[in-house]
Amino acid sequence: AQKVTQAQTEISVVEKEDVTLDCVYETRDTTYYLFWYKQPPSGELVFLIRRNSFDEQNEISGRYSWNFQKSTSSFNFTITASQVVDSAVYFCALSEGTEETSGSRLTFGEGTQLTVNP
Amino acid sequence: DSGVTQTPKHLITATGQRVTLRCSPRSGDLSVYWYQQSLDQGLQFLIQYYNGEERAKGNILERFSAQQFPDLHSELNLSSLELGDSALYFCASTTQGNSYNEQFFGPGTRLTVL
Repeated sequence: AQKVTQAQTEISVVEKEDVTLDCVYETRDTTYYLFWYKQPPSGELVFLIRRNSFDEQNEISGRYSWNFQKSTSSFNFTITASQVVDSAVYFCALSEGTEETSGSRLTFGEGTQLTVNP
Repeated sequence: DSGVTQTPKHLITATGQRVTLRCSPRSGDLSVYWYQQSLDQGLQFLIQYYNGEERAKGNILERFSAQQFPDLHSELNLSSLELGDSALYFCASTTQGNSYNEQFFGPGTRLTVL
């Protein structure tokens, strides 16, 4: 069974600090996909990034960067120079399988509440 | 705005009642997913439909049922409601029903059972 663990329940930083959100996953599949979603105080879930299990290249998008390490089953998310608007709950999620007929589901971690203080 | 719409936004009802939550996927998306977010269980997958047919099932209670209609909108029916059913219910959609598609979520329906 697949599992995602976000050990950091809450993180509080001061604006302009860098912050890393940890995500560790478990799966028996060799093909799988990892995602990060953001849930701001308004409540909606916003897609941030998708990574497949065959692509271990790190990715940078503006102030956001992601570090995927298959050897440690981790997919960590770093926000550089954090801003108050980054305050939200961040979820890491895992999806397994490649068969079109087998369906798909996201298994979410517990989420990390990030608070960026001015 | 993800393009996924959900109605109603808020729903307050009593124990034992039945409610229906509605979801319209993004234009062109064939697959719809339902998730429940509660304080004690976190975000949990309930069920997936693809082009009108059930494709995957999670820990969905027998009191809950869903369907996807020919116009691709979906409804989640919750019956014999209990206090513990109070949660935020999300619908998500993707173009296909594959595991590599990112899911785009609607704004959610907040259900409160009194």
